Amino acid sequence: AQSVTQLGSHVSVSEGALVLLRCNYSSSVPPYLFWYVQYPNQGLQLLLKYTSAATLVKGINGFEAEFKKSETSFHLTKPSAHMSDAAEYFCAVSNRDDKIIFGKGTRLHILP
Amino acid sequence: DAGVIQSPRHEVTEMGQEVTLRCKPISGHDYLFWYRQTMMRGLELLIYFNNNVPIDDSGMPEDRFSAKMPNASFSTLKIQPSEPRDSAVYFCASIDALVNEQFFGPGTRLTVL
Repeated sequence: AQSVTQLGSHVSVSEGALVLLRCNYSSSVPPYLFWYVQYPNQGLQLLLKYTSAATLVKGINGFEAEFKKSETSFHLTKPSAHMSDAAEYFCAVSNRDDKIIFGKGTRLHILP
Repeated sequence: DAGVIQSPRHEVTEMGQEVTLRCKPISGHDYLFWYRQTMMRGLELLIYFNNNVPIDDSGMPEDRFSAKMPNASFSTLKIQPSEPRDSAVYFCASIDALVNEQFFGPGTRLTVL
């Protein structure tokens, strides 16, 4: 069975600092991996996805994530945090079939 | 395309009343998902459909919950009777199977008094 674990339900970083949101997955087959962002009172939007091409995936708003098979990780990073990055971020995994399994989410707080 | 459309955006009702949430998926997407999001339990998959057929309803919490998809462009999630603990944001999502990318609607915020 596939699953996703997001480390830290809340992460706080200063504006301009590095953002690192951690995600580890479990999958019996090569997975598809996703990061979604949810702004207050909105639905989830896709930030980026890994589908077995390049291991370093670049997404919208300056975010990127690196697929590390040996570590079963897909951590999300951004070099310099902006106030507008404050949101909840969800890591998700799919076994290339129909269902996508979401993690419990990490709420990112940006400190001025 | 207008994206996934959900209605109503907000619903306030009293305990015991029937509630119907509606969803129109993106045209051409053949998978449709219903999720529930709360602070306590996070994002939960309730049920999903493929080509209008329910595939997995194991996430539906109780018999009070039911979902239908009479055609490729419309789905409903019904709660009868509603209870205060059903208060949550309910999301509908559809998948573009070619790229395995899930698109979410804006959600319906349900409050049961």
